[in-house]
Amino acid sequence: DAEITQSPRHKITETGRQVTLACHQTWNHNNMFWYRQDLGHGLRLIHYSYGVQDTNKGEVSDGYSVSRSNTEDLPLTLESAASSQTSVYFCASSVQGAHQNEAFFGQGTRLTVV
Amino acid sequence: GNSVTQMEGPVTLSEEAFLTINCTYTATGYPSLFWYVQYPGEGLQLLLKATKADDKGSNKGFEATYRKETTSFHLEKGSVQVSDSAVYFCALSPFSSNTGKLIFGQGTTLQVKP
Repeated sequence: DAEITQSPRHKITETGRQVTLACHQTWNHNNMFWYRQDLGHGLRLIHYSYGVQDTNKGEVSDGYSVSRSNTEDLPLTLESAASSQTSVYFCASSVQGAHQNEAFFGQGTRLTVV
Repeated sequence: GNSVTQMEGPVTLSEEAFLTINCTYTATGYPSLFWYVQYPGEGLQLLLKATKADDKGSNKGFEATYRKETTSFHLEKGSVQVSDSAVYFCALSPFSSNTGKLIFGQGTTLQVKP
């Protein structure tokens, strides 16, 4: 069965370190997204990609970057981790071309910056 | 701009009670509307959706009707079960975006007691 997986599921890091969260999907979807989930804010879009070599900034992109070298993977990098980036991170993917298509989500990565 | 507002939680109900979770939105044009559910320790999964005015989405006993005149998409279930305990997110995908970006409400936690 097709799926979307995130790793690690839990991560503790120190302030100032670079951290990369992995996202891998086997749906063969062109669209991939990274969201962060914070209490009282729901999910907010960090970065997204519509295909290989395409990346775009979302609502809360400062301090984050992504790269898309193949269809399956969209790693999220925190350049210099800050305590404000302590959050739960979700990767998602969807079929390109129609706003009514559902997104499929990974199980999330809980990141703590100390 | 586009936004989604959900009723404040948490919502605590007894088993077999009637559930309503309010959701209103602000958007231009005709967005698609979604309810996603997040069970403890898991990612989000699509519960139901509606893509045009007066559509009713339904799944697992849950229903929501796309009301353009009131810009609402309230979630209802006639008889909740303990297994429905989860966080529920209302979301929209703007009509102008055919690439699946989602704008979420803040989420409503539902706890159902036996």
